[in-house]
Amino acid sequence: GEDVEQSLFLSVREGDSSVINCTYTDSSSTYLYWYKQEPGAGLQLLTYIFSNMDMKQDQRLTVLLNKKDKHLSLRIADTQTGDSAIYFCAESISNFGNEKLTFGTGTRLTIIP
Amino acid sequence: EAQVTQNPRYLITVTGKKLTVTCSQNMNHEYMSWYRQDPGLGLRQIYYSMNVEVTDKGDVPEGYKVSRKEKRNFPLILESPSPNQTSLYFCASSTRRGEQYFGPGTRLTVT
Repeated sequence: GEDVEQSLFLSVREGDSSVINCTYTDSSSTYLYWYKQEPGAGLQLLTYIFSNMDMKQDQRLTVLLNKKDKHLSLRIADTQTGDSAIYFCAESISNFGNEKLTFGTGTRLTIIP
Repeated sequence: EAQVTQNPRYLITVTGKKLTVTCSQNMNHEYMSWYRQDPGLGLRQIYYSMNVEVTDKGDVPEGYKVSRKEKRNFPLILESPSPNQTSLYFCASSTRRGEQYFGPGTRLTVT
């Protein structure tokens, strides 16, 4: 079955880069996602990567996928106070990539001024 | 504005009293899902729907029902709520590429 794991907490100084890591177990994953949840709000899709890609960059966000090790990471460059949130990685294994997502437990990112 | 709406946002109820949480999306998405979020467990899928009249169980379907009579609506029904269903519930709809858009959440407390 699917299992997605993340560390629970990460603290980073403002202006530094944040790297949030995730491991998954299902090698048939088709899409992998990163979501952001701010306090009291729903989940916001940040970015996603197709399983045949190694890297995707979108402004301050860089996603790296190591399919051999089943490891996904999200790097946030020049971390700002507005980046404080819980970050969830998620995998999808369906052919269409959208019927079911399996989420990690979330990593709470705290920014140190 | 493209969005997923849920109602109510907050609900306190008693054990055994049937309730429905509504979910509506205006993006013409075929796919919709319900999740519950619990501390330390992340989000777990309850039910999902791939189209009108097509629904299937997620990871934690026990104690819940859903229906999909129209494309835009996907209500979650708790026929006989119990305290272990106290949670934060999210509805989501998604594109074919798997980009899921989440509602604002419904915080349910069952006493």
